[in-house]
Amino acid sequence: GQNIDQPTEMTATEGAIVQINCTYQTSGFNGLFWYQQHAGEAPTFLSYNVLDGLEEKGRFSSFLSRSKGYSYLLLKELQMKDSASYLCAVLDSNYQLIWGAGTKLIIKP
Amino acid sequence: GAVVSQHPSWVICKSGTSVKIECRSLDFQATTMFWYRQFPKQSLMLMATSNEGSKATYEQGVEKDKFLINHASLTLSTLTVTSAHPEDSSFYICSARDGRGDYNEQFFGPGTRLTVL
Repeated sequence: GQNIDQPTEMTATEGAIVQINCTYQTSGFNGLFWYQQHAGEAPTFLSYNVLDGLEEKGRFSSFLSRSKGYSYLLLKELQMKDSASYLCAVLDSNYQLIWGAGTKLIIKP
Repeated sequence: GAVVSQHPSWVICKSGTSVKIECRSLDFQATTMFWYRQFPKQSLMLMATSNEGSKATYEQGVEKDKFLINHASLTLSTLTVTSAHPEDSSFYICSARDGRGDYNEQFFGPGTRLTVL
């Protein structure tokens, strides 16, 4: 079966750095997405990785290792507004998104 | 960037009534649209995938006679929840895929919160 695992909840301090991990087992792989979702809102796109390595975009970076079925989202200089759920999703061989359950990130002052 | 709209943003209805939710891609043609449902504190659950001009493909456990999907054009898909019941209360989100892109990103609508009394 297809499976995406990520921690349920994480807590970090304002100004710090946090890494959210995601491991996956899917039938085929056509890329991995990270989305941010605030409560009561739809997800918004953060990053896309299809090749191994680190993609940096401002305060957010995303890493992928296809051989390990592993990705992480790195958030630097945390701000209170970063409190949200972070969803990892993999595009499988049928180009269908397989979603993780999301990681709720709580930022404390 | 690509914009997807949903209407209505929220709806409250009585049990037994039907509710239609519209999903529109405003500045691109969406070859494929997806309908998701999300219960509180849970991740998105794909309900169905629809391609313009063809029947929707429903995920296992989703009743196609209850959740009617119509994708009549490249910019519009509708989800009709027929004979809604309180357990259908949820956050319904559509997304659209623009096949011209470098990768198959899905652009999400803002969601529709349905409350069935």
